[in-house]
Amino acid sequence: AQSVTQPDIHITVSEGASLELRCNYSYGATPYLFWYVQSPGQGLQLLLKYFSGDTLVQGIKGFEAEFKRSQSSFNLRKPSVHWSDAAEYFCAVGRMNRDDKIIFGKGTRLHILP
Amino acid sequence: EAGVTQSPTHLIKTRGQQATLRCSPISGHTSVYWYQQALGLGLQFLLWYDEGEERNRGNFPPRFSGRQFPNYSSELNVNALELEDSALYLCASRLAAGAGNIQYFGAGTRLSVL
Repeated sequence: AQSVTQPDIHITVSEGASLELRCNYSYGATPYLFWYVQSPGQGLQLLLKYFSGDTLVQGIKGFEAEFKRSQSSFNLRKPSVHWSDAAEYFCAVGRMNRDDKIIFGKGTRLHILP
Repeated sequence: EAGVTQSPTHLIKTRGQQATLRCSPISGHTSVYWYQQALGLGLQFLLWYDEGEERNRGNFPPRFSGRQFPNYSSELNVNALELEDSALYLCASRLAAGAGNIQYFGAGTRLSVL
């Protein structure tokens, strides 16, 4: 069965520190991979996506993610977090060349210490 | 360019009533997806409409239904409301098939069932 696991429900980092949010997926075929961010009371905003090619992808707001096929992982990173990065982050997977549903992880809530 | 718009922002209903939620996709997008984000359950896929047809359905009872209009906007109807239907309902839209499964989300409708 297809699934996405985000093992950390909450993460707290200090402003200016580096960040890594973990994501592992289980998928029977080559996946499309996404990271979305949800600020309180808001919808989801696409941070970045991986379809093919270079396994290190750059996104908006200074985020990047690395696809590691051997580890079935797609971890999100940022070298220096800002207080405005406090939000909930969702990793998601979809089927390559298919346009149906995306499967989401349960999310990681990021807290920033001043 | 306007993003995905959803209305109403908030909806309060009582058990047994019906709720209607509306979604307008980004101009030029032909596919609309509905997701339920309930507390503690993450984002669950509900329905996918493309070119006016229901293409896929998540593991929800038949009292969750919807439709897509010729202008690609969509309605989600929830009949015989139950307390556990209280959730944030998110709509997403996507360009035509073959453009890559990048879904753009609205801000959601918060449904509260009392």
